[in-house]
Amino acid sequence: NAGVTQTPKFQVLKTGQSMTLQCAQDMNHNSMYWYRQDPGMGLRLIYYSASEGTTDKGEVPNGYNVSRLNKREFSLRLESAAPSQTSVYFCASTRQGPGDWTDTQYFGPGTRLTVL
Amino acid sequence: EDKVVQSPLSLVVHEGDTVTLNCSYEVTNFRSLLWYKQEKKAPTFLFMLTSSGIEKKSGRLSSILDKKELFSILNITATQTGDSAVYLCALKIIFGKGTRLHILP
Repeated sequence: NAGVTQTPKFQVLKTGQSMTLQCAQDMNHNSMYWYRQDPGMGLRLIYYSASEGTTDKGEVPNGYNVSRLNKREFSLRLESAAPSQTSVYFCASTRQGPGDWTDTQYFGPGTRLTVL
Repeated sequence: EDKVVQSPLSLVVHEGDTVTLNCSYEVTNFRSLLWYKQEKKAPTFLFMLTSSGIEKKSGRLSSILDKKELFSILNITATQTGDSAVYLCALKIIFGKGTRLHILP
């Protein structure tokens, strides 16, 4: 099992460009999450998908959109990138939904994004 | 508002020392608290704590929860350079800022 995979690993964008970060999991998990991690800020939730066909905003959703393409895949789109979106992005998945706290998250390796 | 506060934010010790990392929290309906270790890449799971006073152990790492005082500690004994990492405390999807631990040889 590959677990949670993310592409790309690194990306450099110019202000105003768009891109999509891809995430896939092969653990048959129901829920998937997108976080950003900035120095000194810990992990902050951008969006999550509790189950196929549903998505919800997290703590910092502005400037992002998501798509839960199927049970395996959850993508994050930046429509018009800004320097403030320079960060490391992590995708994660859990077997149960975010309301089930007896459940640990499995993280992908991250995407390092720089917006110039 | 649910929140997680970790301290210290940064810690430097010598190999062989024992360290204690702290995590305090506020939550409306507590179910569990998790600890993760993050080296260069993704966080990896260490412990899940659901009951007060029961210590979880894994080798030189151990953790305990106090639900009355709303905190948890993560202990690492006989530290090694491989323990250098950021340690994250979380209430499911709410993470603390982490403690960056650096072990000097």
